[in-house]
Amino acid sequence: TQLLEQSPQFLSIQEGENLTVYCNSSSVFSSLQWYRQEPGEGPVLLVTVVTGGEVKKLKRLTFQFGDARKDSSLHITAAQPGDTGLYLCAGARESGGSNYKLTFGKGTLLTVNP
Amino acid sequence: NAGVTQTPKFRILKIGQSMTLQCTQDMNHNYMYWYRQDPGMGLKLIYYSVGAGITDKGEVPNGYNVSRSTTEDFPLRLELAAPSQTSVYFCASSTGGKGGYTFGSGTRLTVV
Repeated sequence: TQLLEQSPQFLSIQEGENLTVYCNSSSVFSSLQWYRQEPGEGPVLLVTVVTGGEVKKLKRLTFQFGDARKDSSLHITAAQPGDTGLYLCAGARESGGSNYKLTFGKGTLLTVNP
Repeated sequence: NAGVTQTPKFRILKIGQSMTLQCTQDMNHNYMYWYRQDPGMGLKLIYYSVGAGITDKGEVPNGYNVSRSTTEDFPLRLELAAPSQTSVYFCASSTGGKGGYTFGSGTRLTVV
């Protein structure tokens, strides 16, 4: 059972376009994280959201956590070729009070063409 | 700071051989993890550890073993390698809070 569903699975756009990728679940998460992974490297943390309805911005990237803490979205404004990569969402579910074990989605592979 | 260091970067094994994937971190993180990543399948948790001397199974532990004798090191042992173990393996560490994981750069393993 895949707890976190990411869509779309693949996305190819032109430089300058805007895009949104989604991370959905039927489960409630105590926090949700977004990572970007480049070829041949491990994932790198972009942001953690912990409060329902929370919005965080990281330059041209905007992250939102759903009110019910079951879903999240990542919006990129004016995409650049350097944004190319695999975007992974990961959710933490409280276990004995600790949020130490993450469940990862399968990722959205983004290609931004110059 | 080195962060999480994995060795080797690449390895080819023959069916039935054994090997150990090394992972070390210098951030004094209590929590460490091993994931495998297959195309289109995301990251699957193999084993994790919440501190030295403590390990536990993840989603896909069969065919693997781990040990955690120190805070810094968390090696992953493959016994009797099988083609199904061809994958990219990532080690990660965390504080256990909401700060996220720090990943190594991965080991690409091919079993032929």
